[in-house]
Amino acid sequence: EVQLVESGGGLVQPGGSLRLSCAASGFTFSSYAMHWVRQAPGKGLEYVSAISSNGGSTYYANSVKGRFTISRDNSKNTLYLQMGSLRAEDMAVYYCARENYYDSSGYYLYYFDYWGQGTLVTVSS
Amino acid sequence: DIQMTQSPSSLSASVGDRVTITCRASQSISSYLNWYQQKPGKAPKLLIYAASSLQSGVPSRFSGSGSGTDFTLTISSLQPEDFATYYCQQSYSTPGFTFGPGTKVDIK
Repeated sequence: EVQLVESGGGLVQPGGSLRLSCAASGFTFSSYAMHWVRQAPGKGLEYVSAISSNGGSTYYANSVKGRFTISRDNSKNTLYLQMGSLRAEDMAVYYCARENYYDSSGYYLYYFDYWGQGTLVTVSS
Repeated sequence: DIQMTQSPSSLSASVGDRVTITCRASQSISSYLNWYQQKPGKAPKLLIYAASSLQSGVPSRFSGSGSGTDFTLTISSLQPEDFATYYCQQSYSTPGFTFGPGTKVDIK
């Protein structure tokens, strides 16, 4: 059974740092790109960051670029999100998600087939 | 960046109703469109990928259609467990897979 379990959320002061983890099991972690998506209280889903299966490529939304770092340890089946210079607007539930794809005659159509339960990050003094 | 819009932002419906939600992309995204369902306090759940492919285990009352810029999620006969918020997501602009703002479906 595929499982993604986030941890590391909590209360942090503005300007502070926090590292989120996402422990994966039930699949070959090193074969899949992974993503972080967040959801502020009462708001919609916001795409945050992505990392390729081998960690060689990363992507960040403009809202977090330069402040957040995504990484992974394939030997530990774990995805990370290092968050720095945190702001009030970063307060959200953070989800990790597995990327999968549908091969349509050589065109890869991507989607997120498994999600973690989320971890809450609260930014407040 | 590709912007996604959804309409309506919310709707009220009764059990048994046919429900249609629309998603529009700011540029053509072919069939690179996914739909997710989210219930309060829970993670999103994949319903439809590649615009019209039903994810394994998802009831057949859910269907997706469209290509280019205009897409539709249809629930053929709304069930009590379908009251939730629905999000579309484009995966054309890889890897920044942006989401629509969501459509909340609640009980009439």
